[in-house]
Amino acid sequence: DTGVSQDPRHKITKRGQNVTFRCDPISEHNRLYWYRQTLGQGPEFLTYFQNEAQLEKSRLLSDRFSAERPKGSFSTLEIQRTEQGDSAMYLCASSKGSGNEQFFGPGTRLTVL
Amino acid sequence: KQEVTQIPAALSVPEGENLVLNCSFTDSAIYNLQWFRQDPGKGLTSLLLIQSSQREQTSGRLNASLDKSSGRSTLYIAASQPGDSATYLCAVDSGTYKYIFGTGTRLKVLA
Repeated sequence: DTGVSQDPRHKITKRGQNVTFRCDPISEHNRLYWYRQTLGQGPEFLTYFQNEAQLEKSRLLSDRFSAERPKGSFSTLEIQRTEQGDSAMYLCASSKGSGNEQFFGPGTRLTVL
Repeated sequence: KQEVTQIPAALSVPEGENLVLNCSFTDSAIYNLQWFRQDPGKGLTSLLLIQSSQREQTSGRLNASLDKSSGRSTLYIAASQPGDSATYLCAVDSGTYKYIFGTGTRLKVLA
């Protein structure tokens, strides 16, 4: 297993710009998750996919956020019209099987100026 | 609604000491519980997964226990080392696959 990878690792943007993050899960993991973590807090669930189907979205995921997982492989998370409150670490995880042990990527740190 | 609490929020111990980190959850109907380690500015590293039918799991110097009836899990670290310094997070899955995390315990092991 090569592990979960995320790109970019860091993103600095100006308020109002759109940003897109990518996550590549561990191969053959059918579930993929997005979480958001702010300083001093534990990660908060945003959304998850089973294969290509998006099965749950948190209320944290406003209309400015959209996630996709075409063909059930990699996933993208887009934030439109970024706000300073969107500054956070965005974490991706993947899992498979009944045990659902989740493996996390290194995260994308977003700073909105 | 599931809530997860970790106490203490921060802990400093001398090298070599055995220590226990605590995780409490409000809804005992859990599917599994996973402990993670997070170094500053990094992603999460999986330490141990305990499924609802299990009472404990061990990996090297780490031992995690689960008591669903009391809503508690503990992570025991034996013979702590400076390299163990990190934030430790517990996460609970209540059967919906998504995790609810605690706020973590920041551990510092002094050489």
